[in-house]
Amino acid sequence: AQSVTQLGSHVSVSEGALVLLRCNYSSSVPPYLFWYVQYPNQGLQLLLKYTTGATLVKGINGFEAEFKKSETSFHLTKPSAHMSDAAEYFCAVSVRTGGYQKVTFGTGTKLQVIP
Amino acid sequence: EAGVTQFPSHSVIEKGQTVTLRCDPISGHDNLYWYRRVMGKEIKFLLHFVKESKQDESGMPNNRFLAERTGGTYSTLKVQPAELEDSGVYFCASSPGGNYGYTFGSGTRLTVV
Repeated sequence: AQSVTQLGSHVSVSEGALVLLRCNYSSSVPPYLFWYVQYPNQGLQLLLKYTTGATLVKGINGFEAEFKKSETSFHLTKPSAHMSDAAEYFCAVSVRTGGYQKVTFGTGTKLQVIP
Repeated sequence: EAGVTQFPSHSVIEKGQTVTLRCDPISGHDNLYWYRRVMGKEIKFLLHFVKESKQDESGMPNNRFLAERTGGTYSTLKVQPAELEDSGVYFCASSPGGNYGYTFGSGTRLTVV
């Protein structure tokens, strides 16, 4: 079975500072990896995903994540935080089970951006 | 294209009552998923439809929850009778399959009082 661990349920950064949200996964087979974001009072939006190929994945709003198999990590970064980045971020892992994807989420990290 | 639509967006019901949540997936998406997030916890899988068939319902908490997907289109999730611990946000997602991520709806926030 797969699992996801997100380190830090709350992260605070200053506006303009680097954003780093940590995610480690466990999977017995090569996983697909995702980051989702939930803005207040909205649904889950896909930020980026890794399936195969290039391990550095770029997503929307300037975010990117790097798949590191040796470290079983998929950390999310953004060089410069904006106030609009304040939201809750979820890392997720997907494996094919019975011919279909099954996605497992982490517990989420709330990002606070301080002016 | 229209996204995944869920309604109601909020529901407040008393313990013991019945509530039905609805999800309209993206047209043409055979895969439909229900997830739930209880306050402060992770988003947990409930079940997965492929067209009108239940592919995996291993996450359904108990027999008070009943999910249906009529004709492989929209889906309903009924909770009867509701208990306090059923409170949370219920998310629906759909996918065409393959290597694609899910598209989520905005969720239904259920509060049982």
